[in-house]
Amino acid sequence: DTEVTQTPKHLVMGMTNKKSLKCEQHMGHRAMYWYKQKAKKPPELMFVYSYEKLSINESVPSRFSPECPNSSLLNLHLHALQPEDSALYLCASSHANPGHQRGNQPQHFGDGTRLSIL
Amino acid sequence: GNSVTQMEGPVTLSEEAFLTINCTYTATGYPSLFWYVQYPGEGLQLLLKATKADDKGSNKGFEATYRKETTSFHLEKGSVQVSDSAVYFCALRMGSGGYNKLIFGAGTRLAVHP
Repeated sequence: DTEVTQTPKHLVMGMTNKKSLKCEQHMGHRAMYWYKQKAKKPPELMFVYSYEKLSINESVPSRFSPECPNSSLLNLHLHALQPEDSALYLCASSHANPGHQRGNQPQHFGDGTRLSIL
Repeated sequence: GNSVTQMEGPVTLSEEAFLTINCTYTATGYPSLFWYVQYPGEGLQLLLKATKADDKGSNKGFEATYRKETTSFHLEKGSVQVSDSAVYFCALRMGSGGYNKLIFGAGTRLAVHP
């Protein structure tokens, strides 16, 4: 069982729809991440939140809008997506202080949301 | 820049065979190194890690040793099972500020046959 929970597991949406992906963790992690994974490829980092503030945006198009309402939740709002945005979207979390021993703790991943854009 | 190179797959083995998946890295400084496994339809699970040179990570019969001199972190298992069939990702962690940034290799697909 994964300690990072993502919903929904599957999502099919049209290019004009608005939807949201949700991620939740209760491990006390203060860094949370969104990744995009295409078939037979490694995950690609999209966004990083540290202490509920956006720390990294890897030049992601504005049709993807992240939100971190509190330390346990991470959302990804989707609007006007393109067919090439179809992929597995993974959420991860980790401890947030590399200067502390816990900073070497790895990222914990959810099982992802498989997104299909029609 | 920082990067991870893995051997190309797929790797196809019979049950109880010996497994090696090669991983080399390029990094400034002293990264932490990880192996993640992804089973079909699932997210990534941490398999093992090493945080400094000569550390050996191990889990579920898998092992990897952090070799600074050869910048390598090869994954090995003495006797694979059908249930080990999955995609394996080598990754390095570069951290600054309040988060970790993982850099993944391309992944190696392992297929184990009875």
